[in-house]
Amino acid sequence: NAGVTQTPKFQVLKTGQSMTLQCAQDMNHEYMSWYRQDPGMGLRLIHYSVGAGITDQGEVPNGYNVSRSTTEDFPLRLLSAAPSQTSVYFCASNHRGANYGYTFGSGTRLTVV
Amino acid sequence: GENVEQHPSTLSVQEGDSAVIKCTYSDSASNYFPWYKQELGKGPQLIIDIRSNVGEKKDQRIAVTLNKTAKHFSLHITETQPEDSAVYFCAASRDQAGTALIFGKGTTLSVSS
Repeated sequence: NAGVTQTPKFQVLKTGQSMTLQCAQDMNHEYMSWYRQDPGMGLRLIHYSVGAGITDQGEVPNGYNVSRSTTEDFPLRLLSAAPSQTSVYFCASNHRGANYGYTFGSGTRLTVV
Repeated sequence: GENVEQHPSTLSVQEGDSAVIKCTYSDSASNYFPWYKQELGKGPQLIIDIRSNVGEKKDQRIAVTLNKTAKHFSLHITETQPEDSAVYFCAASRDQAGTALIFGKGTTLSVSS
């Protein structure tokens, strides 16, 4: 049982490049979310999903796309990276009806130059 | 949408003292309020949570109180230890399972021995 696995752990992109941040969970959780963490800003919700085939926007969705084709995976896509997207990205998952909080991954540190 | 304010942003205490972190929220429909602890280089980890039908919850040295009328909730840590040093985040959600959690900006707690 690996929990929530994020890859890569570190990434440097040039402005305009595209990439996908991977997130996978092996707990059969229905709910998955992506957050970005910036100094002094806390954790801000980018996109979330309540099940396969269902996604919704969070607080800061612009510049990011998501899809949820399987229960296990919830990739986050940056189509044209910008320096403002330099951040630490966290993926989290939870079970519908759970009486406990989200399980977070260990994060991906992304730098856009 | 929901807005969560968290105070103070930094808190320094002596070992053995108590620490209190306060949060206010704006959405009266929010009914789930978790607290997360984040250590350096790691993802946030749930330490305690409370639901709207409960006014107070305690787990050993940690307690959370909720005032739905005033729309604020607080984290209380008693007998602080150096290992309590971390960043603490409060969050709020309309969903009891915690879908689409909105976080405060965090409190950096330093416990000196």
